[in-house]
Amino acid sequence: AQKVTQAQTEISVVEKEDVTLDCVYETRDTTYYLFWYKQPPSGELVFLIRRNSFDEQNEISGRYSWNFQKSTSSFNFTITASQVVDSAVYFCALSNSNSGYALNFGKGTSLLVTP
Amino acid sequence: GAGVSQSPSNKVTEKGKDVELRCDPISGHTALYWYRQSLGQGLEFLIYFQGNSAPDKSGLPSDRFSAERTGGSVSTLTIQRTQQEDSAVYLCASSLVGKRGGLGTDTQYFGPGTRLTVL
Repeated sequence: AQKVTQAQTEISVVEKEDVTLDCVYETRDTTYYLFWYKQPPSGELVFLIRRNSFDEQNEISGRYSWNFQKSTSSFNFTITASQVVDSAVYFCALSNSNSGYALNFGKGTSLLVTP
Repeated sequence: GAGVSQSPSNKVTEKGKDVELRCDPISGHTALYWYRQSLGQGLEFLIYFQGNSAPDKSGLPSDRFSAERTGGSVSTLTIQRTQQEDSAVYLCASSLVGKRGGLGTDTQYFGPGTRLTVL
């Protein structure tokens, strides 16, 4: 069975603060894929990043960075110098080929960035 | 290019009526997925298609739910005899391939969703 846990339900920060969203996953598969999606108030899920289980290299994209650690089954997401436009619900998800790559989502973390 | 489109964007229906939700995937995407997002249950996987075939229907909540895909493109999710607990946002996503066709090919892109309200 697969499971994704996002322990932080809501986070509130002031603009320009750094914030880390936690994601812990469980799977018995050796090959799997991890994702982060953003859901702004408009409602549409926006793809942010995909990671393969065999690639633990961390990634940075502008103010966004991701830390993938297989040893702790975590795939954390950090926003540096947060902005009001970062306010959204962020979902971590897990997939593998056994279920046709269907996404198993965490409950999401609601991030509020205030001016 | 065009993204995933869904129609209608909003649907209000009375309990017991049937509804059809439509998804038009990104052109060329062979895999199509349906999810449901509700307050109590979060984001739940319902069903996926590889081409016109649905190998796994175990995510459908009840036998009132069915889905089909024709011509490897448009998909329809049908809910018969709707109940109030069916109220949710129904999301559709598509990806280039559902099988391991290469790095990044299984990334799913989502449509705007259909908000279903059952009165």
